[in-house]
Amino acid sequence: DTEVTQTPKHLVMGMTNKKSLKCEQHMGHRAMYWYKQKAKKPPELMFVYSYEKLSINESVPSRFSPECPNSSLLNLHLHALQPEDSALYLCASSQDGSGADASEQYFGPGTRLTVT
Amino acid sequence: GQSLEQPSEVTAVEGAIVQINCTYQTSGFYGLSWYQQHDGGAPTFLSYNALDGLEETGRFSSFLSRSDSYGYLLLQELQMKDSASYFCASEVDSGGYQKVTFGTGTKLQVIP
Repeated sequence: DTEVTQTPKHLVMGMTNKKSLKCEQHMGHRAMYWYKQKAKKPPELMFVYSYEKLSINESVPSRFSPECPNSSLLNLHLHALQPEDSALYLCASSQDGSGADASEQYFGPGTRLTVT
Repeated sequence: GQSLEQPSEVTAVEGAIVQINCTYQTSGFYGLSWYQQHDGGAPTFLSYNALDGLEETGRFSSFLSRSDSYGYLLLQELQMKDSASYFCASEVDSGGYQKVTFGTGTKLQVIP
């Protein structure tokens, strides 16, 4: 199983809502990532979890809150978002969080988020 | 700062060969990856070069020259389905840790 799954596929939320994005992988990977991607731009790293511990937070606003309940699951909790947060949110995993392993990442299909 | 630069767009004819370049200025360079992303889809890993030279995987090959801070992705026998965006990526040093940074991306259009 080389699949990373993400739910929901699409999400529309108001600026006062609270919602969560979910990601799951069953490849035994020990590193998981959240990326934000705007149209016609490269993925932009937000968070990295390595061995279920947050190892990188790319100065992301606190209205985005990641959580790694176990080695297969990754959540991104959203609260009080702004319209400029509308983007494709991608989850990825890799065997490890550094070196050559980190350079081979498997991506989920993403959640298309619209903030109104 | 860290940067991986690519041409924004490339057009090539079906059946031909196309080369997508990536030049980088980074600290703590660990190797170069390539990803393909179709419109509306997720990035898919294509290849990784840790060392200088050419890596071949079917119709796709990837090349790295550390001395020139340069790499490229070579696509042969182009097919219409190869129309997509292609990103180079590298693990770089950033604020005391390593993180993967993506290049600016190249949109490849394959025409009949």
